[in-house]
Amino acid sequence: QVQLVQSGAEVKKPGASVRVSCKASGYTFTGYYIHWVRQAPGQGLEWMGWINPHTGGTNYAPRFPGRVTMTGDTSVSTAYMELNRLRYDDTAVYYCARVEGDCTNAGCNWGSFEYWGQGTLVTVSS
Amino acid sequence: EIVLTQSPATLSLSPGERATLSCRASQSLSSYLDWYQQKPGQAPRLLIFDASDRATGIPARFSGSGSGTDFTLTISSLEPEDFAVYYCQQRRNWPTFGGGTKVEIK
Repeated sequence: QVQLVQSGAEVKKPGASVRVSCKASGYTFTGYYIHWVRQAPGQGLEWMGWINPHTGGTNYAPRFPGRVTMTGDTSVSTAYMELNRLRYDDTAVYYCARVEGDCTNAGCNWGSFEYWGQGTLVTVSS
Repeated sequence: EIVLTQSPATLSLSPGERATLSCRASQSLSSYLDWYQQKPGQAPRLLIFDASDRATGIPARFSGSGSGTDFTLTISSLEPEDFAVYYCQQRRNWPTFGGGTKVEIK
């Protein structure tokens, strides 16, 4: 069965970086995109971006200019999300999700976010 | 960016009652609209995809309707386990989520 298992909780100081991992199993890792979504305490869901593990191609939401990097390691079927220059308002639960996608120069058509990781709490605190 | 506006923010109902949740998009989505349920401490769970199709294992009391810019999630008769937060999501190019509707016990 499809599983996405994320790394454990992190506590970081403002200005530091954090890397969250998302290990996939039960399907062909390179056959689907991995999207990242975060949720601040008591708030809604915020889409952050995606990575195509097959090509390494990425696309990030505009509200993270130059601060987020998504990568993938096909040898261990794991996707990573690194967020730099952490701020207090980056405190959130970070989720990865497996998504079917069809991307062309004109844009992407996405499938549903059917499979999610369990979430990783990142706390930014001095 | 496509903005999704959900209403109401909170719905206070009793078990057995009908719940009607609304999601309005700032531009036409065709049917690229999904609904998710989220309980405290859990990841979102896909309920409805393509506006009206139930995901695998989702009970028939959940139904979705709409197209274009106006969508509705209906829970025909609330069960105790249905009290949760519900999000709509559009998945055209840059996915976005609505702000959520909390269905709470009256």
